[in-house]
Amino acid sequence: DAKTTQPNSMESNEEEPVHLPCNHSTISGTDYIHWYRQLPSQGPEYVIHGLTSNVNNRMASLAIAEDRKSSTLILHRATLRDAAVYYCILRALMNYGGSQGNLIFGKGTKLSVKP
Amino acid sequence: GAGVSQTPSNKVTEKGKYVELRCDPISGHTALYWYRQSLGQGPEFLIYFQGTGAADDSGLPNDRFFAVRPEGSVSTLKIQRTERGDSAVYLCASSLSSGPGENEQFFGPGTRLTVL
Repeated sequence: DAKTTQPNSMESNEEEPVHLPCNHSTISGTDYIHWYRQLPSQGPEYVIHGLTSNVNNRMASLAIAEDRKSSTLILHRATLRDAAVYYCILRALMNYGGSQGNLIFGKGTKLSVKP
Repeated sequence: GAGVSQTPSNKVTEKGKYVELRCDPISGHTALYWYRQSLGQGPEFLIYFQGTGAADDSGLPNDRFFAVRPEGSVSTLKIQRTERGDSAVYLCASSLSSGPGENEQFFGPGTRLTVL
């Protein structure tokens, strides 16, 4: 399974942008890059995903390097509610057209947000 | 609408006992996943159902663990002869299908299992 590397922890100030990096140097051409986050005492929740192009949604932006060996999750204005563990996950596109079923989580990056 | 629900939210049992953990997925979601999470770690995959059948059970740690989904909706994770090392938060997730790049997984709040 392709692996990802993330910093153990990061700190941010409230209302400032946050850039969460992820390295995935062994990514294959059909791996999608997914981000989930887990707030304290809750199950993980989906944030965003992409394949090659940068992606934006209401929660965040995902910037993918041209060689796809790294990506960055961008929270444009961090709030206290964004304090969570953020997981960068690769999902393989299987040859039958579906995605690999399960998510393979690492330890993620614990984001702290200071008021 | 209702999200994924799990019962009980907490379960304390004694070593050697049998436990069942229940997951109610989002209505209409055909895929269902079980994970477990130990303190300080990311969730670890256990088993994945597509409909009623287990599409991948490679994450089950041993034969004391078993899961069913008889009607393609509710699932039960069963643990026999529990051991202290089974203590963890057991998470359930569901998704619409296994489409390419899609199939966002929706997680429940988890069941915290403590084996004394």
